[in-house]
Amino acid sequence: SQTIHQWPATLVQPVGSPLSLECTVEGTSNPNLYWYRQAAGRGLQLLFYSVGIGQISSEVPQNLSASRPQDRQFILSSKKLLLSDSGFYLCAWSPGLVGYGYTFGSGTRLTVV
Amino acid sequence: DAKTTQPTSMDCAEGRAANLPCNHSTISGNEYVYWYRQIHSQGPQYIIHGLKNNETNEMASLIITEDRKSSTLILPHATLRDTAVYYCIVIGNEKLTFGTGTRLTIIP
Repeated sequence: SQTIHQWPATLVQPVGSPLSLECTVEGTSNPNLYWYRQAAGRGLQLLFYSVGIGQISSEVPQNLSASRPQDRQFILSSKKLLLSDSGFYLCAWSPGLVGYGYTFGSGTRLTVV
Repeated sequence: DAKTTQPTSMDCAEGRAANLPCNHSTISGNEYVYWYRQIHSQGPQYIIHGLKNNETNEMASLIITEDRKSSTLILPHATLRDTAVYYCIVIGNEKLTFGTGTRLTIIP
């Protein structure tokens, strides 16, 4: 069966520090991968998605970047965190076929102080 | 992807059926209707999806109108654990884009 792993669960980082959040999927190949962010009391905002290794689409301009170095690995990064980067970050995957579901990880709660 | 419109919030008595409406008047022929829910501080949970026909699974039923411009998610016997934000999403390509959803509160 397919599983998605996301870590860490919580993270407190100072302003200006770098960020690296990792997401991996097991039990499937060539998944579509997604990064979402949810600010406190707000809805889910799609940040990046990837349909293959090295292929990254950015949905909104921001202080973050994403990379997909391996087929089932998706990384969210920042060189210098801002206070506004605080939020709940979720990774998700799908088989890439319309009509099939999307599965979400358990999320990382990032607090920038 | 087509945009969806949902009520901001709804209440439902425990044990009763919860009916959550969604309008998607600009849906196109190859777009599916998905429902997810998010319980506080957790990742979204898949509930059900459909294209044209009504669908039922162990969690819920999905009723899609014949013109596909609206749908209703039905939780047949709501429990307190069904309190969550419910998202109706229409998708036809790679991107799953969330709206603001309906905050459903189950009242004891």
